[in-house]
Amino acid sequence: GAVVSQHPSWVICKSGTSVKIECRSLDFQATTMFWYRQFPKQSLMLMATSNEGSKATYEQGVEKDKFLINHASLTLSTLTVTSAHPEDSSFYICSARTPRLAGGSSNNEQFFGPGTRLTVL
Amino acid sequence: DAKTTQPTSMDCAEGRAANLPCNHSTISGNEYVYWYRQIHSQGPQYIIHGLKNNETNEMASLIITEDRKSSTLILPHATLRDTAVYYCIVRVVGYGNKLVFGAGTILRVKS
Repeated sequence: GAVVSQHPSWVICKSGTSVKIECRSLDFQATTMFWYRQFPKQSLMLMATSNEGSKATYEQGVEKDKFLINHASLTLSTLTVTSAHPEDSSFYICSARTPRLAGGSSNNEQFFGPGTRLTVL
Repeated sequence: DAKTTQPTSMDCAEGRAANLPCNHSTISGNEYVYWYRQIHSQGPQYIIHGLKNNETNEMASLIITEDRKSSTLILPHATLRDTAVYYCIVRVVGYGNKLVFGAGTILRVKS
């Protein structure tokens, strides 16, 4: 399957600082990427949909000014957690959707990155 | 997207087939059944998907009932590395659709 990477794989930061997480599609171009958050022993929760060249679409209850998403190229989306606090500590996972196949049919599969473990002290 | 119901957890002996059920009684005609799994502290991994016909790939088989109200993911020869949370997701395949994860089934493969 397609490969999606995330960087860093883990990060520890002080309360009040900002943290940037990168999501890259390594062997395909992704016009759409998704950002999820997962707390311990819980399922993944979709935070936002990131579209290349346009503003991200945030899910209800997700603060867009706190979780800044930039999708500046077809292979890179970034999530910046601004003024992080301990309650933002979580496992952040991105996914990228494969492009449409030739002939108009859509493969439309999502491939996930390995996740980034954020700990805010 | 239709809601799915999965057992909370299941155990399977190593080398045996693991059969993971999923109920999606409210599925509509244009909704596909997708299966992903998540090994501890990793991102989810795509396994398989189908509409109404049974599907098989190198990882698993997907059996969908004729009325499409339920399905079963089959791992033919489970190994310890198959221990993971398995998510059954039903959604319309359109270019704008999101994946919404439920609680999933914790599969424990035991030696």
